[in-house]
Amino acid sequence: EPEVTQTPSHQVTQMGQEVILRCVPISNHLYFYWYRQILGQKVEFLVSFYNNEISEKSEIFDDQFSVERPDGSNFTLKIRSTKLEDSAMYFCASSNPGTGDSPLHFGNGTRLTVT
Amino acid sequence: DAKTTQPPSMDCAEGRAANLPCNHSTISGNEYVYWYRQIHSQGPQYIIHGLKNNETNEMASLIITEDRKSSTLILPHATLRDTAVYYCIVRVMEYGNKLVFGAGTILRVKS
Repeated sequence: EPEVTQTPSHQVTQMGQEVILRCVPISNHLYFYWYRQILGQKVEFLVSFYNNEISEKSEIFDDQFSVERPDGSNFTLKIRSTKLEDSAMYFCASSNPGTGDSPLHFGNGTRLTVT
Repeated sequence: DAKTTQPPSMDCAEGRAANLPCNHSTISGNEYVYWYRQIHSQGPQYIIHGLKNNETNEMASLIITEDRKSSTLILPHATLRDTAVYYCIVRVMEYGNKLVFGAGTILRVKS
């Protein structure tokens, strides 16, 4: 069964550094998402992306964050200058355009640790 | 999207059916009910979804009441590997719409 893959599984970075989290969505999917989950808290929506544009973003997704689909297969989340509070699991998801009820399929996440 | 209410935790004996309830009394006609689960900080895993009819797949069954104000996810023969957080989510039928996660129900399957 096709799946969403995310790399790296764990990223450690120093405060103030830039990080790029990478995702390969399921190949025929056209809607892409990033979520995050701080340890012990809920899974939170960050951003959705379609047709090379941001469709929707949450209040968390401020100017420090950006997303890109640099080629036909990857979808990336960049954090420009990381803060301690950015430490979390980051999940990528994708869904296909079939019908309006198509479910999201999630990767297993990247654990970001900011020191 | 309509809000959902789930019990914070439930226990189930291994091999028995696990019945996880969800209330969504403010659901609208164009909103689907989705169930996901998350096993120990892995990515949320899609289980099943439905609009008004009962649904069944290889993982579970979804029973939606006639008035659509509540639903039950049924895992017919729970195993220890089904121990997870289960999320009931109501989502407007709209292309590319996001999911909004709540706290979910922690299901503990015990031997």
